[in-house]
Amino acid sequence: GAVVSQHPSRVICKSGTSVKIECRSLDFQATTMFWYRQFPKQSLMLMATSNEGSKATYEQGVEKDKFLINHASLTLSTLTVTSAHPEDSSFYICSARPGQGPDSASSYNSPLHFGNGTRLTVT
Amino acid sequence: AQSVAQPEDQVNVAEGNPLTVKCTYSVSGNPYLFWYVQYPNRGLQFLLKYITGDNLVKGSYGFEAEFNKSQTSFHLKKPSALVSDSALYFCAVRDSSDMRFGAGTRLTVKP
Repeated sequence: GAVVSQHPSRVICKSGTSVKIECRSLDFQATTMFWYRQFPKQSLMLMATSNEGSKATYEQGVEKDKFLINHASLTLSTLTVTSAHPEDSSFYICSARPGQGPDSASSYNSPLHFGNGTRLTVT
Repeated sequence: AQSVAQPEDQVNVAEGNPLTVKCTYSVSGNPYLFWYVQYPNRGLQFLLKYITGDNLVKGSYGFEAEFNKSQTSFHLKKPSALVSDSALYFCAVRDSSDMRFGAGTRLTVKP
């Protein structure tokens, strides 16, 4: 159980175009999902917290107008990289935690479940 | 803020030997600690967690971790390493609504 599906797994786009990445929780509801970026041989950098039905919370230094997050339902969050540039090339990973809310007792102790990531290459 | 540190970038062991991947933590209050594994071009997979109770936590794929409060450590261990255990391992701590990850340790198990 607790499967997170992320799509696409790999995308190549031209500079200046936009790319949408989808993150779905397949067998549970997730009021909160997280988007990370991972550079080669480095740890995960939290970009933003996606909240169902409300605006995402972005980490310091992450441009909210460039990385648009939409969490329209309890099972789907999308990350759109707008006007992509080569420096946006990276591995993007989403995660979600089963539970009724980010601070509920059931969710606090639960591990995060991750999608398989999206390798974005901007040429 | 909560944080974890993984002091080793790389750990090399021979197949069949025990392995240890180190993690130390810094938290205010009770720690909620996790270990994840990442294979190439994949997301992270949950291995095990410590919330409360026994200091020795058993997880997936034969891994276990020992919570040591006095040393503020949560080292990942396995009695007998397999070549297929070669991957990137992350220690993490629950922080508010999200999770903070260590820098990762690349484990290489050689036949």
